Amino acid sequence: DAGITQSPRHKVTETGTPVTLRCHQTENHRYMYWYRQDPGHGLRLIHYSYGVKDTDKGEVSDGYSVSRSKTEDFLLTLESATSSQTSVYFCAISGNSPEQQFFGPGTRLTVL
Amino acid sequence: EDQVTQSPEALRLQEGESSSLNCSYTVSGLRGLFWYRQDPGKGPEFLFTLYSAGEEKEKERLKATLTKKESFLHITAPKPEDSATYLCAVLQDGSEKLVFGKGTKLTVNP
Repeated sequence: DAGITQSPRHKVTETGTPVTLRCHQTENHRYMYWYRQDPGHGLRLIHYSYGVKDTDKGEVSDGYSVSRSKTEDFLLTLESATSSQTSVYFCAISGNSPEQQFFGPGTRLTVL
Repeated sequence: EDQVTQSPEALRLQEGESSSLNCSYTVSGLRGLFWYRQDPGKGPEFLFTLYSAGEEKEKERLKATLTKKESFLHITAPKPEDSATYLCAVLQDGSEKLVFGKGTKLTVNP
């Protein structure tokens, strides 16, 4: 398995609270991604990073921000969580190109 | 309009009954097409990358093929452990973002 961990693995929070999800890799890969997966929508890209401090938006970036201060860590922040952000969040990594991506185990987030 | 469409949404097979899953795409300038397997409660697991029409890749009972408009994932003599959701994704020339289809949920009954 690619060395990717996500924390926490499960979280329940209340509407309006800030939430930060962490993705950590031990592969020294250049690219890191955050996706959400919802029934009927499949996997959708939220944000991605192509290097330290280099990030860009994906398809569903509203309400989310990211930061990458080190190669190994990519943080996803929900500044003020809403019920529509209840989802399973996956981190993925890939090497020097965005092609072959490897996924982490996921974080199940419930916003009440 | 979805750029990647997978069909069928769900497929039930008997053990040993071969079949195919379809992934059609509308992006121009395909850089690569990717197949993943996802088990319940887990992250997607990479299976294959296809780059050009006519290319084929095989792994155990799975074979992926690619044409200019679609890809097929052929499953030969499936076993119950092949039950999973199979995801297809495409990467367009000049893009750094994969676009995923919604997946096909495969169930193989013993």
